[in-house]
Amino acid sequence: DVKVTQSSRYLVKRTGEKVFLECVQDMDHENMFWYRQDPGLGLRLIYFSYDVKMKEKGDIPEGYSVSREKKERFSLILESASTNQTSMYLCASSLQGTSDIQYFGAGTRLSVL
Amino acid sequence: QQQVKQSPQSLIVQKGGIPIINCAYENTAFDYFPWYQQFPGKGPALLIAIRPDVSEKKEGRFTISFNKSAKQFSLHIMDSQPGDSATYFCAAGGGADGLTFGKGTHLIIQP
Repeated sequence: DVKVTQSSRYLVKRTGEKVFLECVQDMDHENMFWYRQDPGLGLRLIYFSYDVKMKEKGDIPEGYSVSREKKERFSLILESASTNQTSMYLCASSLQGTSDIQYFGAGTRLSVL
Repeated sequence: QQQVKQSPQSLIVQKGGIPIINCAYENTAFDYFPWYQQFPGKGPALLIAIRPDVSEKKEGRFTISFNKSAKQFSLHIMDSQPGDSATYFCAAGGGADGLTFGKGTHLIIQP
């Protein structure tokens, strides 16, 4: 089975802190994605990566950055956390492109106080 | 990104009924239409998916109906069970920008 592991289930941070959310997949997938999920808004794509060291902006990249130094690991970085970034963050991976199954992690619920 | 519009936002059905969730898309370049199921505290998991070369796909009690000309697709759950209670997301993909998700439908199946 494909496994996408997010390092933390719950995080509480202070406004202005730098926050790292880590995601690891074990199936040698090319593509990795970061979404945020908010009630009534569904899943919104923040960033995705189709190769090591490559990244593409999604729908809502403002206030976020990403890093992909190794194929299996994709990190989401909040440079200076703000209260409006309180959300559920979901990582996903897929083998080939966008017309392919995406496998999701369990999510990280981030609270910024 | 083009939107995917999903309805209804919430749905309550009696056990054994057939909930139907509808989605509409705009981008004719989309060629992959998955449905995801999400239980509380879990990430979404692929339930069933369809490509536009067929009008219907069944997997167990779950059926996708696809209308290419109308740019609409829907999920039907036959003989629904309380264990089907979850949030369901439709999505569309095929462009260069990843999947575009609907806003989700919170489904409750009452015993």
